[in-house]
Amino acid sequence: AQSVAQPEDQVNVAEGNPLTVKCTYSVSGNPYLFWYVQYPNRGLQFLLKYITGDNLVKGSYGFEAEFNKSQTSFHLKKPSALVSDSALYFCAVRDRRNNNDMRFGAGTRLTVKP
Amino acid sequence: NAGVTQTPKFQVLKTGQSMTLQCAQDMNHEYMSWYRQDPGMGLRLIHYSVGAGITDQGEVPNGYNVSRSTTEDFPLRLLSAAPSQTSVYFCASSYGGTPNYGYTFGSGTRLTVV
Repeated sequence: AQSVAQPEDQVNVAEGNPLTVKCTYSVSGNPYLFWYVQYPNRGLQFLLKYITGDNLVKGSYGFEAEFNKSQTSFHLKKPSALVSDSALYFCAVRDRRNNNDMRFGAGTRLTVKP
Repeated sequence: NAGVTQTPKFQVLKTGQSMTLQCAQDMNHEYMSWYRQDPGMGLRLIHYSVGAGITDQGEVPNGYNVSRSTTEDFPLRLLSAAPSQTSVYFCASSYGGTPNYGYTFGSGTRLTVV
């Protein structure tokens, strides 16, 4: 079965600095990849996805992610972090051959300090 | 507002009791699913449905039942609650019969089993 690893439990950055939240995946075939964000006491919100095409995917709130097939990674990035970006971020993967089994990583807590 | 509505938001059950977590969406999404969120483990898929009358098991289905009699509703039933089912439960829906378009999540139900 597919799986996702988010190697960092916590990422701290200063406001205005670039941020990266890491994600690596494992699937037998080609992946569908997603990033979601969760604010306190809320459900997850969809940020962006990679299905096919350009390896650089742009999403909501200025976030982007780069699909790297050789490194099996899908890192989330933003050029200039905001304090309001502080939240829990989840990477998710689905194997194209299995329509409905979406696997989530354990999450990375991003803290942006003023 | 269009979206996914979960009730109740909080619930405390005694071991052995049964209950139903409600989930309703008004976006005419075919795909609906239930996840549980536990600290350090991300989200794990319990059950999912690709349309009315069709349900299937996810990663952790034991102790839970679902049905999908209408497109809008996807209730999750706990047959005999156990302390291991203490968790935050999220319902999610997606356009089409797969999660490829990105999930819309409900705000969650925090369940405690004592």
